[in-house]
Amino acid sequence: QVQLQESGPGLVKPSETLSLTCTVSGGSISSFYWGWIRQPPGKGLEYIGYIYNTGSTNYNPSLKSRVTISMDTSKNQFSLKLSSVTAADTAVYYCARISAAAGEPWGQGTLVTVSS
Amino acid sequence: QSALTQPASVSGSPGQSITISCTGTSSDVGGYNYVSWYQQHPGKAPKLMIYEVSNRPSGVSNRFSGSKSDNTASLTISGLRAEDEADYYCSSYTSSSTLVFGGGTELTVL
Repeated sequence: QVQLQESGPGLVKPSETLSLTCTVSGGSISSFYWGWIRQPPGKGLEYIGYIYNTGSTNYNPSLKSRVTISMDTSKNQFSLKLSSVTAADTAVYYCARISAAAGEPWGQGTLVTVSS
Repeated sequence: QSALTQPASVSGSPGQSITISCTGTSSDVGGYNYVSWYQQHPGKAPKLMIYEVSNRPSGVSNRFSGSKSDNTASLTISGLRAEDEADYYCSSYTSSSTLVFGGGTELTVL
């Protein structure tokens, strides 16, 4: 079955760029949509964006100016970059496969803290 | 985009049924049959419980059911069990091709 695993630095300095990678196993990313969702500590889920195998992307309007999602089909990975981060970007970041506008499965999530 | 509106908390006794509402607009919940529901236990990733308003993924108990009327979707859990105690989130596809989540509902099994 398809499994997803997020990876990347757990600590990022303010004003720098957050970079995460999601590695997909058990299936090809050449099908379906693949997305990123985050959850600040003690708060709810927030949609970040998704990418399709054509390279087309969609982003949350509130984050659009700072977000880039890309994919590397040769490595079966897709990535998230969020620029100019502040403490408000501290969250658990999840990657997920998106089908019929639903996320399933999800990665286990990775906590990214923005602090100097 | 504005978050979908969910009650902050609901509760019920074992064996009872509860319903969680999720209210949006005609640009999201009311406009598409792409409403999903997720269950999240503390420290865990969300788990898909319902997709396309009322469909259950393989392996999800038939005690979980979903419906929609106009701009409001609902998740009903029947025969409440202790293990159902968790946070529940709804989400919807939107007219901007984005996804939007609800604020989450904490379910307490008394």
